[in-house]
Amino acid sequence: GQNIDQPTEMTATEGAIVQINCTYQTSGFNGLFWYQQHAGEAPTFLSYNVLDGLEEKGRFSSFLSRSKGYSYLLLKELQMKDSASYLCAAMDSNYQLIWGAGTKLIIKP
Amino acid sequence: GAVVSQHPSRVICKSGTSVKIECRSLDFQATTMFWYRQFPKKSLMLMATSNEGSKATYEQGVEKDKFLINHASLTLSTLTVTSAHPEDSSFYICSARTEAGESDTQYFGPGTRLTVL
Repeated sequence: GQNIDQPTEMTATEGAIVQINCTYQTSGFNGLFWYQQHAGEAPTFLSYNVLDGLEEKGRFSSFLSRSKGYSYLLLKELQMKDSASYLCAAMDSNYQLIWGAGTKLIIKP
Repeated sequence: GAVVSQHPSRVICKSGTSVKIECRSLDFQATTMFWYRQFPKKSLMLMATSNEGSKATYEQGVEKDKFLINHASLTLSTLTVTSAHPEDSSFYICSARTEAGESDTQYFGPGTRLTVL
């Protein structure tokens, strides 16, 4: 079967760094997405990885290892506004999205 | 975990025809369902929010007569793209929200890829 695993909840301190992991099993692979979702709002696109390696975009970076079925989202210099749910989604060979349940990130002062 | 399905997963149609996309919550009752449109490597754009038994609430700029939403039951919502045109080609994603107990969680469907020729 196809599935995505990510931690349910994480807590971090303002100014620190946090890494949110995501493991996936899909039928074929056409890339992995990370989204940020604040309560009551639509998910916001953060990153898309289809090749192995790290992609950096400001304070956020995303890493992919296709051989391990593993990705992580790295958030640096955490700010209070980063408190949100972070969704990992993998696209399979039929271009269907397999969604993780989301990781609720709590930032403490 | 909760599962949301969409049917069809992919559809190709001719310009001017109508296409219906179904969104089902498979093992829970969804108080609210959402319809999104995704452009490549872009955020999900919320199109409308639908509550069972009442009219859908459309976001600004979304034509309600073009994108018909019916939320017939607590497990099924449909989006009909009427008189589809090539610019309607996109990836449509639904999500379902459950408010079981103290939990308020949103589950996303796998998406439907619409191509209008």
